[in-house]
Order: sequence, then C-alpha cells, then structure tokens
Amino acid sequence: NAGVTQTPKFQVLKTGQSMTLQCAQDMNHEYMSWYRQDPGMGLRLIHYSVGAGITDQGEVPNGYNVSRSTTEDFPLRLLSAAPSQTSVYFCASSLSTSGGQETQYFGPGTRLLVL
Amino acid sequence: AQSVTQLDSQVPVFEEAPVELRCNYSSSVSVYLFWYVQYPNQGLQLLLKYLSGSTLVKSINGFEAEFNKSQTSFHLRKPSVHISDTAEYFCAVRAIIQGAQKLVFGQGTRLTINP
Repeated sequence: NAGVTQTPKFQVLKTGQSMTLQCAQDMNHEYMSWYRQDPGMGLRLIHYSVGAGITDQGEVPNGYNVSRSTTEDFPLRLLSAAPSQTSVYFCASSLSTSGGQETQYFGPGTRLLVL
Repeated sequence: AQSVTQLDSQVPVFEEAPVELRCNYSSSVSVYLFWYVQYPNQGLQLLLKYLSGSTLVKSINGFEAEFNKSQTSFHLRKPSVHISDTAEYFCAVRAIIQGAQKLVFGQGTRLTINP
C-alpha cells in the first residue's frame, strides 16, 4: 500500500492565484481530513470528510474548498491564495470515525508559499 | 471545549539522557489521548495512544506515557534518548466539536538530541 499520498510537495503561488492540493489514500478509509501546520500553532483542522459525498468544516475553513467524489481522493482547493495561507498542509485518513479511537495516517505534506 | 497544552516548545537533551515532554489536556468527554511524532521533512506518525485500561502505555521504540486523570496530564517519557529521536512531538486529544469527533493537537515540542 502507498498509504496517504500528496501532490505537489512544494508550490509557490502569487496572491490571487488558485490551485488544488491533491490527496489520495489506498487503504479504503472512510475518514479523511486536511490540516495546516504553522510554527507554534500545531496542526489545525481545515476540512474533513466522513465518507464519499460528505464534507464538513473544521477549525479554519475560510479560503478553502473541498469535495469527496470517491473514497480514495480528497482534494483541497485554494480559491484565491493569500500570504496568510503560506503553510505546510497535511492530509490524513483513518478507517472510521467511530469513537474517536482511530489512528490517523498522515501524508508527507505540501509546502505552500504565497507571495 | 477540549484543548491540549504542551508546556515546552523546545527540549534540548544530551544523548542517552532521560527526557520528559509535558502535555496537559482539558476534556468534557471520555478521554482518548495520543502522541504523534514528526521526523524532519515527514508527516506525522502515531507513537502511542491511551483509550482505556492501563494508564501506562508504551511504544515500540522505548517511549512511554502515563494518563493521570487527577492532574489531567499525559506526559511522554524515555529513560535514554538516541540521536534518532530528534523530531517534533505532538500531543492530541479526542474532541467532540459540533457533534463530530475530531483530534485536537497541541502546539508541538521540538526534541533536539545533542551528542
């Protein structure tokens, strides 16, 4: 199994540009999520999905959109990039969300710089 | 609201010395606690977790953590660290937010091992 994969690894954008961060998992996990990691702030949840066709907002959803058309893929879209979105983005998945006991599996991350 | 506080942003230690990384939590629901580790330029990996039962949980690489309900703590310890333990460590707690179960992460503790 490849686990959780993310592309691209690095990206530089200009303010106002749009882009999509890709995330895929081959473990047949129901739950997928996107986090951003900023120095001194840990990981903050952007959006999550409990299954295909179901998404919801996390702690910091503004400026980001998601969709979940298949179990495997969970892309994150930046509609109009801003310097405040400079961060490292992690996608994660877990088998289910029942009980909150599930181990989350993280991708390697995408480093985004917005100029 | 559920939250996690990691009391030290950086912990430098010498190789083969003991280390403790501190984590305090607040939770109004049944407590599930996790420690994740992030090696340089990688995603997060589960190190260990407490769900129920014995309050002392151990990882395969010599780390252990003890759930202390009275002190609302889940400190991570290792009796003798190795250079390869250099990483950032995140404590996390299961939270119920808007009726859904999520992980809330602390700010992270950067462990630096000096030879």
